[in-house]
Amino acid sequence: GNSVTQMEGPVTLSEEAFLTINCTYTATGYPSLFWYVQYPGEGLQLLLKATKADDKGSNKGFEATYRKETTSFHLEKGSVQVSDSAVYFCALSRAAGNKLTFGGGTRVLVKP
Amino acid sequence: DAGVTQSPTHLIKTRGQQVTLRCSPKSGHDTVSWYQQALGQGPQFIFQYYEEEERQRGNFPDRFSGHQFPNYSSELNVNALLLGDSALYLCASSLVPGKETQYFGPGTRLLVL
Repeated sequence: GNSVTQMEGPVTLSEEAFLTINCTYTATGYPSLFWYVQYPGEGLQLLLKATKADDKGSNKGFEATYRKETTSFHLEKGSVQVSDSAVYFCALSRAAGNKLTFGGGTRVLVKP
Repeated sequence: DAGVTQSPTHLIKTRGQQVTLRCSPKSGHDTVSWYQQALGQGPQFIFQYYEEEERQRGNFPDRFSGHQFPNYSSELNVNALLLGDSALYLCASSLVPGKETQYFGPGTRLLVL
């Protein structure tokens, strides 16, 4: 079956540091890949997505590239802010709008 | 443009009781999916409704059931509550299965005592 594995947190960074959160997946065919972010006490917000190999999703300074050869979709941001403190979830679906399979989440804490 | 809304925001029940959670999809969306997020874990897919029918179901027992109304809103019902049902229940909507990204509501936090 489909599965998503992402690095365990918490990840603690200083403001303006570089952030990488690793995500690898197992799926048949060509799934769509997503990063969602969950701020404290809130639901999930779509951060970015990619629907085919070599696509790069980007939003709010975050980027992730769909790597079919390594089955990965690592999230990066060049300079984090305190407001980026949240839990980040990598997810896949066989088609956009279809059921999502999530990783366990990575908590990120950015200190001033 | 209203996003996905859910009610209630919080709920406390006791073991054995039944609960109903409600979701209104984002304007223009006709597909609703429900997820369970236990504390410290990623969301798990429960089921998806489209055209008032359950189209997909995750690995959840029959105690979990749902309904979709003609206006596309949806309910999640859980019978015979167990302590392990304590979680954040998330509703997500999309435009036609397989066509669009899912957008999530703020969730209903259920505590079973």
